[in-house]
Amino acid sequence: QITLKESGPTLVKPTQTLTLTCTFSGFSLSTTGVGVGWIRQPPGKALEWLALIYWDDDRSYSPSLESRLTITKDTSKNQVVLTMTNMDPVDTATYYCAHRIGRIGTTFWWFDPWGQGTLVTVSS
Amino acid sequence: DIQMTQSPSSLSASVGDRVTITCRASQSISSHLNWFQQRPGEAPKLLIYTASSLQSGVPSRFSGSGSGTDFTLTISSLQPEDFATYYCQQSYGTPYTFGQGTKLEIK
Repeated sequence: QITLKESGPTLVKPTQTLTLTCTFSGFSLSTTGVGVGWIRQPPGKALEWLALIYWDDDRSYSPSLESRLTITKDTSKNQVVLTMTNMDPVDTATYYCAHRIGRIGTTFWWFDPWGQGTLVTVSS
Repeated sequence: DIQMTQSPSSLSASVGDRVTITCRASQSISSHLNWFQQRPGEAPKLLIYTASSLQSGVPSRFSGSGSGTDFTLTISSLQPEDFATYYCQQSYGTPYTFGQGTKLEIK
């Protein structure tokens, strides 16, 4: 059974850096085709993809946020860390991590399952 | 960026109804389209991947179709637990965009 859980601060001040950790079990991030992504959802709004890290340490970021985001993995600890710099109140959202799995030999992939999410509020 | 547009944004229906939600991509994405269900206070849950493949454990009343730019999610006979918000997401190219969501409410 695959599970993921997000952890980090619930409240950050504007201009601060947010660090979120995704701790997972049931899979290895060294397995070909596997990845972990981060997605956020402001209260009452839609989902927004942020970043993705792959088994081979390749990374991809949302272009609109790329300058502020860093995603890293610690395979031995089964963790993925997302940092977001220069936080602003508009970054208030529930942040989710999710397991990325694909159909081997193809470019098809999907997120399943997701963590429960963690609400981060940006306020002074 | 590939824009994903869902319609309708909200929908009222009754238990037992057949419901169809549409998702349109701003460019062709082949079958790189996934559907998620999100109940209030919960994380999104995968329903359909690669446009038409039913995720294990998801009831067969859910089905997906389409390719290229136009996709549909159909629920053949609504059950009380299906009242939720549904999102499509393209996995064709970065940024991996989601639709704005379709909220399915009880009539």
